[in-house]
Amino acid sequence: NFMLTQPLSVSESPGKTVTISCTRSSGTIASNYVQWYQQRPGSGPTTVIYEDNLRPSGVPDRFSGSIDSSSNSASLTISGLKTEDEADYYCQSHDSKMVFGGGTKLTVL
Amino acid sequence: EVQLVESGGGLVQPGGSLRLSCAASGFTFSRFWMHWVRLTPGKGLLWVSRTNGDDSNTAYADSVKGRFTISRDNAKNTLYLHMSNLRADDTGVYYCAGSKKYYFVDYWGQGTLVTVSS
Repeated sequence: NFMLTQPLSVSESPGKTVTISCTRSSGTIASNYVQWYQQRPGSGPTTVIYEDNLRPSGVPDRFSGSIDSSSNSASLTISGLKTEDEADYYCQSHDSKMVFGGGTKLTVL
Repeated sequence: EVQLVESGGGLVQPGGSLRLSCAASGFTFSRFWMHWVRLTPGKGLLWVSRTNGDDSNTAYADSVKGRFTISRDNAKNTLYLHMSNLRADDTGVYYCAGSKKYYFVDYWGQGTLVTVSS
């Protein structure tokens, strides 16, 4: 089994760009797809990126995902930040079972 | 519109049992993998269990194996989680989730709170 490590928190100003990292502890990041989920307080999670870099319909193109084999990590980048983007973000991958990162609290101020 | 509506959460004593339900609508339920995922404050999301479309392929997190059972009734478009021998660390918000593939989630419910405490 492997773990996914995310920063506890990030903050940035409206209109700016922020990147959240997700580092895999063992095995290669490219061997299994990475997903990203957004969770606002009091609401269920929603999927913002699946299969490394694909956006579900309805997710704005301000959200993008990527993987970097050199650092064995995945990243979620949000450009043109809006106050409504303030939420917890979780990365997720899998072996035989789903594995979630610990979550990153994004503050937009 | 896809909807997943969980119910059955509540306060239960350690060692007790509970059954969660999830009513699905707006998609072809029998064609989707279904999951339960738990949110615990300070610990984040934890995948709990999954089942395939006809309930022939199930899997569990190590922490719940032997105590929890996932099942589904495709005629009723409903997913279940039978939880027994509950422990304090089972406390959290349980989300029902659906996906076309076993390794990620397309749709999420709003969650139901389970509190295990004496």
